[in-house]
Amino acid sequence: ETGVTQSPTHLIKTRGQQVTLRCSSQSGHNTVSWYQQALGQGPQFIFQYYREEENGRGNFPPRFSGLQFPNYSSELNVNALELDDSALYLCASSLTSFGANEQFFGPGTRLTVL
Amino acid sequence: RKEVEQDPGPFNVPEGATVAFNCTYSNSASQSFFWYRQDCRKEPKLLMSVYSSGNEDGRFTAQLNRASQYISLLIRDSKLSDSATYLCVVNRGYGGSQGNLIFGKGTKLSVKP
Repeated sequence: ETGVTQSPTHLIKTRGQQVTLRCSSQSGHNTVSWYQQALGQGPQFIFQYYREEENGRGNFPPRFSGLQFPNYSSELNVNALELDDSALYLCASSLTSFGANEQFFGPGTRLTVL
Repeated sequence: RKEVEQDPGPFNVPEGATVAFNCTYSNSASQSFFWYRQDCRKEPKLLMSVYSSGNEDGRFTAQLNRASQYISLLIRDSKLSDSATYLCVVNRGYGGSQGNLIFGKGTKLSVKP
């Protein structure tokens, strides 16, 4: 177990709705990254938070947004859900955002958009 | 061209076989390299980092060729428990948006009795 937890484990939403996914980072880690993994694909980087600030973003539209809290836990928010948003959402925490620090993944939230 | 490309697989091998996975990356500024393992419906887990000098961990050997932008993973004496998807991963650089991981699509390995 990595110590990274995510909630909920599964979620079903309909098109146009909004969703919030949550992640608790491993103790001592101040950096959280979020990834989207569609079926049969590798994870794709959404964004990273370091000490409560967004610290890099992948090729995702603005309706994907996030937050990091003072305890370094994080949220991923997706507005105006689309069918293609159906995927496994993974968060990963690391000791810092610098260097090749190992990222430890949580078990993921499986989102289905109908 | 995708930033990280892997053998499409799947690889179906008998127990005890040696299997090799190949991966290429397109961004010459990439700084660090990894192989992750992902079991079905589970999160990715770091298998090993990859260094230019090559590195070995038991039955697993990873190689990096920076000139060719090529990464490999060799599994010797494969076990049933090695069945998983193997993800080639590249980290662009240090800090900020460069600190994120770029994953290949993954290669599925099935080891049969």
